[in-house]
Amino acid sequence: QSVLTQPPSVSGAPGQRVTISCTGSSSNIGAGYDVHWYQQLPGTAPKLLISGNSNRPSGVPDRFSGSKSGTSASLAITGLQAEDEADYYCQSYDSSLSGSWVFGGGTKLTVV
Amino acid sequence: QVQLVQSGAEVKKPGTSVKVSCKASGYIFTIYFMHWVRQAPGQGLEWMGIINPNSGATSYAQQFQGRVAMTRDTSTSTVSMELSSLTSEDTAVYYCARAGIPAINPINWFDPWGQGTLVTVSS
Repeated sequence: QSVLTQPPSVSGAPGQRVTISCTGSSSNIGAGYDVHWYQQLPGTAPKLLISGNSNRPSGVPDRFSGSKSGTSASLAITGLQAEDEADYYCQSYDSSLSGSWVFGGGTKLTVV
Repeated sequence: QVQLVQSGAEVKKPGTSVKVSCKASGYIFTIYFMHWVRQAPGQGLEWMGIINPNSGATSYAQQFQGRVAMTRDTSTSTVSMELSSLTSEDTAVYYCARAGIPAINPINWFDPWGQGTLVTVSS
């Protein structure tokens, strides 16, 4: 059971727009901690996609965007491409217990 | 360029320990915190702990307390993670991941990541 909740899967056709939600609580996202997103292609290490809720690192296409509101965050992908098929994870910090970095359970994006 | 290169795959017996290393290059080793994250087969990402390469101070996820130890060697820019009392549930890919920005407050993102080290626990 992950501290941050993501849908297990989403799908979309090439060219379409999809969103992936990440729901937390008052001890993590709702406490003001930033949300970050990672893309994991099959058989590879995760790669930073969005930092600080909505910032794209150099080299990440502007088709990817992030937002945060209240206790939730979202990743949007527009102009879906076959190469976007991957697992996506949100990550934040949780101040409960002794404090820890936490991940969502991951969302498998299928480009149909 | 910034690079994290991890040690190779390991096969261990239940009850034993494993030590995974992560050699950093391309940046000032001591000013970026380093994390360890694991991923069981077909599962999500699980944060294990963090080490301050400058002081050696560590903080571990509650579920690994007493069973994990993270160390650093500043002379070789290498951090290591040792996990003991292994069971089949510890079979996973283990990643080192650097904090995204140098800061006294380590609460930020992970970038970059090492290539991962597969640890298989089997009798």
